[in-house]
Amino acid sequence: QKEVEQNSGPLSVPEGAIASLNCTYSDRVSQSFFWYRQYSGKSPELIMSIYSNGDKEDGRFTAQLNKASQYVSLLIRDSQPSDSATYLCAVDTGTASKLTFGTGTRLQVTL
Amino acid sequence: DTGVSQNPRHKITKRGQNVTFRCDPISEHNRLYWYRQTLGQGPEFLTYFQNEAQLEKSRLLSDRFSAERPKGSFSTLEIQRTEQGDSAMYLCASSPSRARGADTQYFGPGTRLTVL
Repeated sequence: QKEVEQNSGPLSVPEGAIASLNCTYSDRVSQSFFWYRQYSGKSPELIMSIYSNGDKEDGRFTAQLNKASQYVSLLIRDSQPSDSATYLCAVDTGTASKLTFGTGTRLQVTL
Repeated sequence: DTGVSQNPRHKITKRGQNVTFRCDPISEHNRLYWYRQTLGQGPEFLTYFQNEAQLEKSRLLSDRFSAERPKGSFSTLEIQRTEQGDSAMYLCASSPSRARGADTQYFGPGTRLTVL
């Protein structure tokens, strides 16, 4: 079983819709969770961090965390074509602050 | 506030050659990480420094790989006797030290290595 799992997609949503990206993780001791956006050929760019159960909102982005279910999600409201990218879920492993990444979900926002 | 910088941005080399990459973290960040990313995969952890001390190395890091951060500022990653399987994007990230959980890591633009 992979430590961090994401659906590779592509996830296709029309412009203006809500995109929902999901991630599950296997290590129950994980405390910190991150979402990164990565455009093709570029490096990952931090979007959100979340540490506590519940929702955290930042502009059009909402991260949701459920530690009991070992599940973290990212909602993007009012999706724009510029949101088309790969979204990486990253989880700390509890040691040395290294991050374990999922393989990413490719999001396509269509006009 | 300048971000993390990496040089070179691209490197093409022949199999068997040695290559060295440099990473300059965000100033005042005392943690520095190296990751490797291949097509269709997420970044994989290679190694991490707190100041000048290398505190952890992944089992992915074979003996051909070595990293240094001699003065606790910039870091270098050297790959000796490169193999075609070393072709990847090499990413550097830095973070401030913080007591709670994993620190937020900020990535540089990466060095894309192609081994012919």
